[in-house]
Amino acid sequence: GAGVSQTPSNKVTEKGKYVELRCDPISGHTALYWYRQSLGQGPEFLIYFQGTGAADDSGLPNDRFFAVRPEGSVSTLKIQRTERGDSAVYLCASTPVGSANTGELFFGEGSRLTVL
Amino acid sequence: GENVEQHPSTLSVQEGDSAVIKCTYSDSASNYFPWYKQELGKGPQLIIDIRSNVGEKKDQRIAVTLNKTAKHFSLHITETQPEDSAVYFCAASGGGSQGNLIFGKGTKLSVKP
Repeated sequence: GAGVSQTPSNKVTEKGKYVELRCDPISGHTALYWYRQSLGQGPEFLIYFQGTGAADDSGLPNDRFFAVRPEGSVSTLKIQRTERGDSAVYLCASTPVGSANTGELFFGEGSRLTVL
Repeated sequence: GENVEQHPSTLSVQEGDSAVIKCTYSDSASNYFPWYKQELGKGPQLIIDIRSNVGEKKDQRIAVTLNKTAKHFSLHITETQPEDSAVYFCAASGGGSQGNLIFGKGTKLSVKP
């Protein structure tokens, strides 16, 4: 079956621009997670959705970052006024039920964002 | 909050040898410890996990041990093969959120044929 799909796979933008990254989770998975991975680092938690609502957004670095999941399936991570420090791979993951601490996170291949 | 330290950052072994990667965590409330393997250009993939009520778990050539008192856990790979070459991440469940895993910085494992 299809895994977690993320688009675009690569995005190059200029400082100050607005960016949207899309995640299509595994069908039937109710929980969805966004992580950010900088070069040479482990994934860093950003936000977690249970259905349509953000159950935990404590990892979002500032108010330039926002994510939505309006129908409880596809999610979009939105970054306003991008900065060079936002350059990273943005990973999306999903799980069948709500908790990352009870079982496997199924990751997509990520969206690589480069801010010039 | 939880902090996870991982060592070594790089590890090179000969094919057939064993590899050991060690992690420590800070939050005694953490109760779930997965290990992920990440190949170049791919997302991380779970290879084994352990919960705090278990001290050791094995799956073929891979084993994980957990010492709750010392707050450390280790990944052991025996009879390494070139296809084991990848970056390995340990993680611990964040105490405050059911969706929040805290990852170590990773170990780049190279298995030389």
